[in-house]
Amino acid sequence: EADIYQTPRYLVIGTGKKITLECSQTMGHDKMYWYQQDPGMELHLIHYSYGVNSTEKGDLSSESTVSRIRTEHFPLTLESARPSHTSQYLCASSADTVNTEAFFGQGTRLTVV
Amino acid sequence: GENVEQHPSTLSVQEGDSAVIKCTYSDSASNYFPWYKQELGKRPQLIIDIRSNVGEKKDQRIAVTLNKTAKHFSLHITETQPEDSAVYFCAGNTYRSQGNLIFGKGTKLSVKP
Repeated sequence: EADIYQTPRYLVIGTGKKITLECSQTMGHDKMYWYQQDPGMELHLIHYSYGVNSTEKGDLSSESTVSRIRTEHFPLTLESARPSHTSQYLCASSADTVNTEAFFGQGTRLTVV
Repeated sequence: GENVEQHPSTLSVQEGDSAVIKCTYSDSASNYFPWYKQELGKRPQLIIDIRSNVGEKKDQRIAVTLNKTAKHFSLHITETQPEDSAVYFCAGNTYRSQGNLIFGKGTKLSVKP
């Protein structure tokens, strides 16, 4: 079934650790996104990609980095996790046109202690 | 760039009543306006969308209206049910936002039995 898969769903990690949040999609989409969602609900775009070897920063500044080596895979990395990185991270994808919906993954809830 | 304002931030209604959530956008070039529903602990999912060449769209108990002149669009839910309780996000995208969805801050809807 076509979907977007994020792993892990929940992660508790100590300060200073390096982490990678995985996102894979079988939707056949070129465009992918990472959104950060705080408990207060708002969705902030932190990274996006048009396709392989394309990565762009979103509206919200983030210390994370992303890569896009394969069309279906868009991992997000934090080199040194801090408590301020505690949040939910949602991966999404869409067809590469303007008038089209984005499909979201289940999210990774990250807690940095 | 595009900015999307959403009101109210919280909304409480009695079961069977109607609920209306309003959004305004800043970019007159915006041409696609989806609405997402996010239930507690779940991913945002598209419930209805409208494109700029249409003034109204309806799907069973939900409808969306668009006023291009005033640059606002609204979600209408009739005969609300407890399972409508969720956070609702409006969004807009344009070529000027690189086709990325810009989300409103969300509305937490509570439907009381």
